Amino acid sequence: NAGVTQTPKFQVLKTGQSMTLQCAQDMNHEYMSWYRQDPGMGLRLIHYSVGAGITDQGEVPNGYNVSRSTTEDFPLRLLSAAPSQTSVYFCASNRRESGTDTQYFGPGTRLTVL
Amino acid sequence: AQTVTQSQPEMSVQEAETVTLSCTYDTSESDYYLFWYKQPPSRQMILVIRQEAYKQQNATENRFSVNFQKAAKSFSLKISDSQLGDAAMYFCAQGSGNTGKLIFGQGTTLQVKP
Repeated sequence: NAGVTQTPKFQVLKTGQSMTLQCAQDMNHEYMSWYRQDPGMGLRLIHYSVGAGITDQGEVPNGYNVSRSTTEDFPLRLLSAAPSQTSVYFCASNRRESGTDTQYFGPGTRLTVL
Repeated sequence: AQTVTQSQPEMSVQEAETVTLSCTYDTSESDYYLFWYKQPPSRQMILVIRQEAYKQQNATENRFSVNFQKAAKSFSLKISDSQLGDAAMYFCAQGSGNTGKLIFGQGTTLQVKP
């Protein structure tokens, strides 16, 4: 049971390049989310999904796309990278059961846009 | 809009002493959860404690306990018998019961002095 995995761990992009951050979970969780963490700040929600085929925007969705074709995977796409997207990105998943709602986080991807 | 506020950017405590971290939140939802996460320098998000809003009893986990004041929308974390390993950034977060998405506070950096 690997939990939530993210690839890559580190990435450097040039302005205007596109890329996909991968996220996978093997816990059969219905809910998955993407957050970004800027220096000295808390995590901010980018996009989230409550199940395969269903996604919605969070606090800071501009410049990012997501899709959820399977329960396990929730990739985050940067369409045209900008320096303002330099951040640490966290993927999380959770399943609501027995009234609890704990999210499990991946180890994060540190992205630098030059 | 949902907001979570941590008014203490930095706190320090002497080893073996007790410290309380403050958090206030604002939400119109009736079904929600509250969390404290710990983030050490490794950046891994570690769940410290959670509280279901419908429960009046304050949650406790070993040396960690919360003071949940629902009417005041306050959710503070008390760490007893502080240890050097407790030094980290602590985030308060409010979770939606319907989607699992989290809104985070700005974080409090806790220093533990030997």
